[in-house]
Amino acid sequence: GAVVSQHPSWVICKSGTSVKIECRSLDFQATTMFWYRQFPKQSLMLMATSNEGSKATYEQGVEKDKFLINHASLTLSTLTVTSAHPEDSSFYICSARNRLQTGAGYTFGSGTRLTVV
Amino acid sequence: AQSVTQLGSHVSVSEGALVLLRCNYSSSVPPYLFWYVQYPNQGLQLLLKYTSAATLVKGINGFEAEFKKSETSFHLTKPSAHMSDAAEYFCAVSVVQAGTALIFGKGTTLSVSS
Repeated sequence: GAVVSQHPSWVICKSGTSVKIECRSLDFQATTMFWYRQFPKQSLMLMATSNEGSKATYEQGVEKDKFLINHASLTLSTLTVTSAHPEDSSFYICSARNRLQTGAGYTFGSGTRLTVV
Repeated sequence: AQSVTQLGSHVSVSEGALVLLRCNYSSSVPPYLFWYVQYPNQGLQLLLKYTSAATLVKGINGFEAEFKKSETSFHLTKPSAHMSDAAEYFCAVSVVQAGTALIFGKGTTLSVSS
């Protein structure tokens, strides 16, 4: 079945540095990728939607200059957390929608645990 | 806009008992509905999904859910709980339009006691 590979699975970084998270669709072309953030014991909150070759659409309250999203190809999307601070520590999950499967074809990555110290 | 409400942030059952996790949705167009399970420090696993075919949807691990339009509900059930079912469960909604994200409910923590 469809697989989305998300890396790294966990990362610790110093405050003020930037961290890049990658999501790759391994066996399908992802027209659209979604990025979510999940705080401990909370739900997944949609951060942004990215379509291949165009700028991402950010949800209200998400700083686009802080969370840079690039979707340069149909199989790769990246989320860069710039100038990370401890409050950015969270679980980040990507989701890809299969170009050839309309409607309900969502595949999730395994998530990235970011800890900023 | 679409939304889901999960009633009960925490459900506790005994092993072998019926599991019932409640989800109500709101959508101005016909929805797609999903149930996911998440174990600690892991990603999401799809249990089942409703995409406008049969209203009773069977999923993995013995779970099933019934789409009831009149009640705007999509409750998740399992006849007999196992200890391994203890996890966080999320209901989610989407619609058919391309580029639409899944919107998640707040989640329900299922505890199973022996």
